[in-house]
Amino acid sequence: EIVLTQSPGTLSLSPGERATLSCRASQSVSSNFLAWYQQKPGQAPRLLIYGVSNRATGIPDRFSGSGSGTDFSLTIATLEPEDFAVYYCQQYGGSPLYTFGQGTRLEIK
Amino acid sequence: QVQLQESGPGLVKPSETLSLTCDVSGASISDNWWSWARQFPGKGLEWIGEMYHGGSPTYNPSLGGRVTISLDKSKNQFSLRLSSVTAADTAVYYCARNGYYDLQYWGQGTPVTVSS
Repeated sequence: EIVLTQSPGTLSLSPGERATLSCRASQSVSSNFLAWYQQKPGQAPRLLIYGVSNRATGIPDRFSGSGSGTDFSLTIATLEPEDFAVYYCQQYGGSPLYTFGQGTRLEIK
Repeated sequence: QVQLQESGPGLVKPSETLSLTCDVSGASISDNWWSWARQFPGKGLEWIGEMYHGGSPTYNPSLGGRVTISLDKSKNQFSLRLSSVTAADTAVYYCARNGYYDLQYWGQGTPVTVSS
């Protein structure tokens, strides 16, 4: 199983600041099949980024993804109030096919 | 606009079978891959399995053969059955439409508690 470890567990920042979230895989992620999701309380996860760096439909360009192999990151260029949420990374290709990181909580400082 | 809606009992007794259905609108059940996932009370996410119309499903090995996913083209819906449930199966269950090796669209989720 490919284990995804996200850091930090909690990130405290203010609106207008830049956020960088990390996702490290226990082994190389196949063909860079790495995605990021945002989840707000009481809601389902929402796809933000697929294929490492592609924004999903309707996702603002302040969200960007990067990385390769085992190290990936999600950057939010300038935090808006609605960006404070929990973020999960997800990989495809191991066994099980899909695994998720444990999440990073982005909270208002 | 793709929309998914889960339905089923919110309470299941230990050792019994959990059965959920996902109604799909805005997309054809025949033209995409479909998945079930769950989120535990501690917030961890787990993929359960996926299926494509006319194909063989793929399941998470951690579920030990307890899971069955099926599609119903006539009703444009798909279903999940999880047998021999225990308290460890208590979670919010989500249905989803697969995207590019990710879960592109999600239902709102339905909470299921396993308890006698």
